[in-house]
Amino acid sequence: DAKTTQPDSMESTEGETVHLPCSHATISGNEYIYWYRQVPLQGPEYVTHGLQQNTTNSMAFLAIASDRKSSTLILPHVSLRDAAVYHCILRVAGYQNFYFGKGTSLTVIP
Amino acid sequence: NAGVIQTPRHKVTGKGQEATLWCEPISGHSAVFWYRQTIVQGLEFLTYFRNQAPIDDSGMPKERFSAQMPNQSHSTLKIQSTQPQDSAVYLCASSPGLGGAEQFFGPGTRLTVL
Repeated sequence: DAKTTQPDSMESTEGETVHLPCSHATISGNEYIYWYRQVPLQGPEYVTHGLQQNTTNSMAFLAIASDRKSSTLILPHVSLRDAAVYHCILRVAGYQNFYFGKGTSLTVIP
Repeated sequence: NAGVIQTPRHKVTGKGQEATLWCEPISGHSAVFWYRQTIVQGLEFLTYFRNQAPIDDSGMPKERFSAQMPNQSHSTLKIQSTQPQDSAVYLCASSPGLGGAEQFFGPGTRLTVL
């Protein structure tokens, strides 16, 4: 069962920085926060994940609240290629399977 | 690295027929997962294997659905007596199998049951 809450949709303009919020008020201490994104006709693509500390990679910056009850995926300078459904998922350490929610559909306007 | 390969990409069956979907995981990955995606339900976990052994099939419908992994290079999802409600995109993913490892998804097989 999905334990995260995300807005159904968000819109941004090319070149802007986008903040995608995710609420996980009942997160457990051993649950990691994962972000995946999916474009039509393709499978989900890994974006990033974290446990407690903020993380960054070439795709995005993940900001995790100090109480871990929420997180924000930050996409700098979005392009049209970043338009996708972004899924915020919790997964217990050592477990393998993911439980996806509906995610946030990000529209990027030229 | 070709990524996860799924065949066929599209399959159309008549109601009551059998459908077999194939997945070739990334070489060296020990965990294979099956998911089903529909507009209404979103992306649902079905089952997964680790080192070819079934680990968790809690998402699999109890009737008509079965999954196997006869060797480390492929897995199959079989649906017997297909029904229109089985129409969905079936996604396969693989991972190195380490705890917390990310999953790499294939492009999916779109199954349409008429």
